[in-house]
Amino acid sequence: QQQVKQSPQSLIVQKGGIPIINCAYENTAFDYFPWYQQFPGKGPALLIAIRPDVSEKKEGRFTISFNKSAKQFSLHIMDSQPGDSATYFCAARSSSNTGKLIFGQGTTLQVKP
Amino acid sequence: NAGVTQTPKFRILKIGQSMTLQCAQDMNHNYMYWYRQDPGMGLKLIYYSVGAGITDKGEVPNGYNVSRSTTEDFPLRLELAAPSQTSVYFCASTRGGGNQPQHFGDGTRLSIL
Repeated sequence: QQQVKQSPQSLIVQKGGIPIINCAYENTAFDYFPWYQQFPGKGPALLIAIRPDVSEKKEGRFTISFNKSAKQFSLHIMDSQPGDSATYFCAARSSSNTGKLIFGQGTTLQVKP
Repeated sequence: NAGVTQTPKFRILKIGQSMTLQCAQDMNHNYMYWYRQDPGMGLKLIYYSVGAGITDKGEVPNGYNVSRSTTEDFPLRLELAAPSQTSVYFCASTRGGGNQPQHFGDGTRLSIL
């Protein structure tokens, strides 16, 4: 129940394409769903986040779609660029008192020029 | 602001040796976390702390210990290194409360041979 399942494991798209990364969870007590972006040799950095009472959030070219009834959420990257090539992690917060996050397995995205 | 600083960046240990991974943050964050990252596995929480003098176990605490004597520092101790502890270790911090993001260091790459 504490798992977050992420797919696909890897993704290759052409520049300008719209990669979509999906995550699913079981625990309905999760209350905050961030996405992190990680470049090689660096730590993850927050990209965008959503609360479960919102169905969509957009920041620049990045959009989270959230389906509370299906317990699924996804990241869409519009007009993807080679600079977006990175590993992406979805996460879910299990407790606001501790800030603990449960991370998905990660998706390695390659955007070809 | 340096953010979250981890030292060392790389280390090779022999089986049975001990070492301490250092983590320091200068953002006056209350909450701090240690994760390990293994290929295809995402980030797994080892230990966390919600303030000086308070620590608790995460998902994968076996073989590790932590202490939190100051707000700034959160060292991770490996007492008897085992090959299964070969990983990339990340420290993170957050202010706590609300939807504050976790800020990550750039990691320590540890190999145990």
